Amino acid sequence: DADVTQTPRNRITKTGKRIMLECSQTKGHDRMYWYRQDPGLGLQLIYYSFDVKDINKGEISDGYSVSRQAQAKFSLSLESAIPNQTALYFCATSDSQVETQYFGPGTRLLVL
Amino acid sequence: GQSLEQPSEVTAVEGAIVQINCTYQTSGFYGLSWYQQHDGGAPTFLSYNALDGLEETGRFSSFLSRSDSYGYLLLQELQMKDSASYFCAVLNSGNTPLVFGKGTRLSVIA
Repeated sequence: DADVTQTPRNRITKTGKRIMLECSQTKGHDRMYWYRQDPGLGLQLIYYSFDVKDINKGEISDGYSVSRQAQAKFSLSLESAIPNQTALYFCATSDSQVETQYFGPGTRLLVL
Repeated sequence: GQSLEQPSEVTAVEGAIVQINCTYQTSGFYGLSWYQQHDGGAPTFLSYNALDGLEETGRFSSFLSRSDSYGYLLLQELQMKDSASYFCAVLNSGNTPLVFGKGTRLSVIA
């Protein structure tokens, strides 16, 4: 079984809808991250959490929110989806060695 | 502010050696990581340099010069399966996340 899982793997939604992307991990890591990837723009950090009670904004948090329900679960929500949020979203985890991150398989989101 | 620069695309011949450069500007610096991402896949960790010098892991090596704010990833004996995007990422402190570059797309040709 994969150490970091994301659901759904693909999602099509309409402008204005609220959606949630979920991430679960079995690695026992305290630190979790949400990234967005657009072609040619690399990985942009949306939010990160260094433990269950810790939530921090990344470089592109506007329009997104997160919830850290447990050590193993970190969810990303788009409160009112818009077309320019169409992208590939990755969840990642790490222990205190932040330089080594383990990524989930990604969720491909299309907002119409 | 901070910035990372790496070439957007590199093409190399199967069996050859290729070097992917990364220059960075940061307010603080702990180290430089490298990740590989195949099309349709997730990024995977390759290496991390905190000290100056060359770190070797099989066909891949990574180099860091802190005084020059520069690092590179060296891929030897290139194989077709090495065709992928490669990202450098800066670690600014122990309590901040990595900051990723925009990636270099490597195409290995026969």
